[in-house]
Amino acid sequence: QKEVEQNSGPLSVPEGAIASLNCTYSDRGSQSFFWYRQYSGKSPELIMSIYSNGDKEDGRFTAQLNKASQYVSLLIRDSQPSDSATYLCAVNGPQTAGNKLTFGGGTRVLVKP
Amino acid sequence: GAVVSQHPSRVICKSGTSVKIECRSLDFQATTMFWYRQFPKQSLMLMATSNEGSKATYEQGVEKDKFLINHASLTLSTLTVTSAHPEDSSFYICSASRTPNEKLFFGSGTQLSVL
Repeated sequence: QKEVEQNSGPLSVPEGAIASLNCTYSDRGSQSFFWYRQYSGKSPELIMSIYSNGDKEDGRFTAQLNKASQYVSLLIRDSQPSDSATYLCAVNGPQTAGNKLTFGGGTRVLVKP
Repeated sequence: GAVVSQHPSRVICKSGTSVKIECRSLDFQATTMFWYRQFPKQSLMLMATSNEGSKATYEQGVEKDKFLINHASLTLSTLTVTSAHPEDSSFYICSASRTPNEKLFFGSGTQLSVL
């Protein structure tokens, strides 16, 4: 079993709709959770970080964390074509060594005008 | 915000040559930097943790003699791919943070193509 799992997609959503991305992780000791956006050929860009159970909203993005279910999600409201990218879920590594992150395989999102 | 600079952004080299990639933290000191590798359509895989003033810690399966890491100062880490081969062609990305529990900032990445 992979440590951090994501559906590879592509997740196709019409412009203006909500994109819902999911991520599960295997290490119950994980403390920090991040969503990164990566455009093709570019390095990842941090979108959201979440550390406690519940929802965290930032603009059009909402991250949701459920530690009991070992599940973290990202909602993108009012999706725009510029949101088309690969979204990477990242979690503190199994040894929770500072900010040593383990990345999921990424979900490719396509927003169609 | 904090900026991590990575150079070069793209390099093409012949098989058997060595390539050095630099990662600099421009406005903060980083005692720890991380080096990732990403193959096409795959996620980032951590290669090694670069520690200022000491040896790097390599992940399982990463050859330390092939991927030489030097972190000689608090603002600079270098990754040298020695005797590069076509299978080493990949996107290499460094990252750093001010403190161990602060968010990571990523360099812009280096696309290595070995002919």
